[in-house]
Amino acid sequence: GAVVSQHPSWVICKSGTSVKIECRSLDFQATTMFWYRQFPKQSLMLMATSNEGSKATYEQGVEKDKFLINHASLTLSTLTVTSAHPEDSSFYICSARGRLTSRDTQYFGPGTRLTVL
Amino acid sequence: SQQGEEDPQALSIQEGENATMNCSYKTSINNLQWYRQNSGRGLVHLILIRSNEREKHSGRLRVTLDTSKKSSSLLITASRAADTASYFCATDFGGSNYKLTFGKGTLLTVNP
Repeated sequence: GAVVSQHPSWVICKSGTSVKIECRSLDFQATTMFWYRQFPKQSLMLMATSNEGSKATYEQGVEKDKFLINHASLTLSTLTVTSAHPEDSSFYICSARGRLTSRDTQYFGPGTRLTVL
Repeated sequence: SQQGEEDPQALSIQEGENATMNCSYKTSINNLQWYRQNSGRGLVHLILIRSNEREKHSGRLRVTLDTSKKSSSLLITASRAADTASYFCATDFGGSNYKLTFGKGTLLTVNP
């Protein structure tokens, strides 16, 4: 149980375009979803936290106008990287926790590798 | 920074040996968790230890927590080549959203 999926698993785009990444909880209702970014051989850095039906809370240094997060339902959150540039190339990972899962445990998606040319 | 620090950054051992990774953090925690990540993949939750616990076991994994030293260790016994991965500790400092702060990770290589 407690499976989280992400789509797409990888994406290559041109500089200046926008990319949307989906994060879905498949078998539980995710009251909170988290978005992380991971650069090669580095740790995960939390970008933002989103609760269903409310605006996302962004970590310091993360541009909310560049990384748009929508948590429209209890099973879906989306991250849109607007006007992507090569420095946005990274591995983006979402996680979720929910009503029927342990409140302390986050369940992670498989990640999306974004490459901006 | 509240970020945890793992050491060593990289560890290479032979199959059958034990692997020990350490994690230190700076402020009080609600719990500490260990995750595994295979190259280019998502994270797999291994074990959670709460601030009032000192040791937990799960299969070949043993985790200890010393809140006075603000440190934790992950021991993998009888390692296998399939254990090759990056291992991260993550600390939950409390708060309504149960945010996690990840350490820099230890890259474990188990040679067959």
